Amino acid sequence: GAGVSQTPSNKVTEKGKYVELRCDPISGHTALYWYRQSLGQGPEFLIYFQGTGAADDSGLPNDRFFAVRPEGSVSTLKIQRTERGDSAVYLCASSREPADTEAFFGQGTRLTVV
Amino acid sequence: GNSVTQMEGPVTLSEEAFLTINCTYTATGYPSLFWYVQYPGEGLQLLLKATKADDKGSNKGFEATYRKETTSFHLEKGSVQVSDSAVYFCALSRSYNTDKLIFGTGTRLQVFP
Repeated sequence: GAGVSQTPSNKVTEKGKYVELRCDPISGHTALYWYRQSLGQGPEFLIYFQGTGAADDSGLPNDRFFAVRPEGSVSTLKIQRTERGDSAVYLCASSREPADTEAFFGQGTRLTVV
Repeated sequence: GNSVTQMEGPVTLSEEAFLTINCTYTATGYPSLFWYVQYPGEGLQLLLKATKADDKGSNKGFEATYRKETTSFHLEKGSVQVSDSAVYFCALSRSYNTDKLIFGTGTRLQVFP
C-alpha cells in the first residue's frame, strides 16, 4: 500500500475485554514496530519484528500484551483483560530493513477502555 | 538508561519568526538522533536526522546539529510559516538503525499569521 495502515482508527472497549489492533505495513518492509502514545507524551516502544519473529519485545508492559506477525507482513497487537490504563494511541511503523534510518508511521489506533 | 528531554510547549510564534526547540539526550554509545513531526490529523513523519557527532540534518528549512559535547540536537528554522504548526518530537536510537526509537514528550508549535 501507499503507507502504513492501521485499523480500526478508534476502538472503545469495556474494562476486562479483549482487543486486537491491526497494522498493515508498507509493502516490502521487513521491519515492523509497535509504539504506544499516552496523552501528552511521546511514543513509547513496545515491540519490534524482523520478518515473522519478534526481535525485541522488551517494551511490552506485561503479559496481557502480545503481538504476532505470522506471515511477515500484517501484524496484530493483542491486549487481554484490558484496563483503563491501557487507553492510549497505539502506533505502528515499518521500515525496509532494520538498518534503514527512516521508519514510516501509521496514523494510529486510539484505544479507549471504559 | 537512554532518554530524551525536550522543551515544553506550546511554542507560539508569528509567521517569519525564528524558531528554536531545544532537545538534549542521555545515551550510552553513539546514538543516532532524529526529529519527527506530527501535523494535525496525520501520522508521525521523519523531518531530519543525524547519525554521528557534528552531522547536521536539514529538511524543509529546518536544521539540527548533533552536538556530542553538549548532548544536544536543537531544532531551528530561520523563518516559520503557518503551515509549520505541528507537534515536534526529538528521538534517538541506539545505533544507526531504527529498531527502537526513544522519543521526547513532544513540543507543540503554533504559528500565527
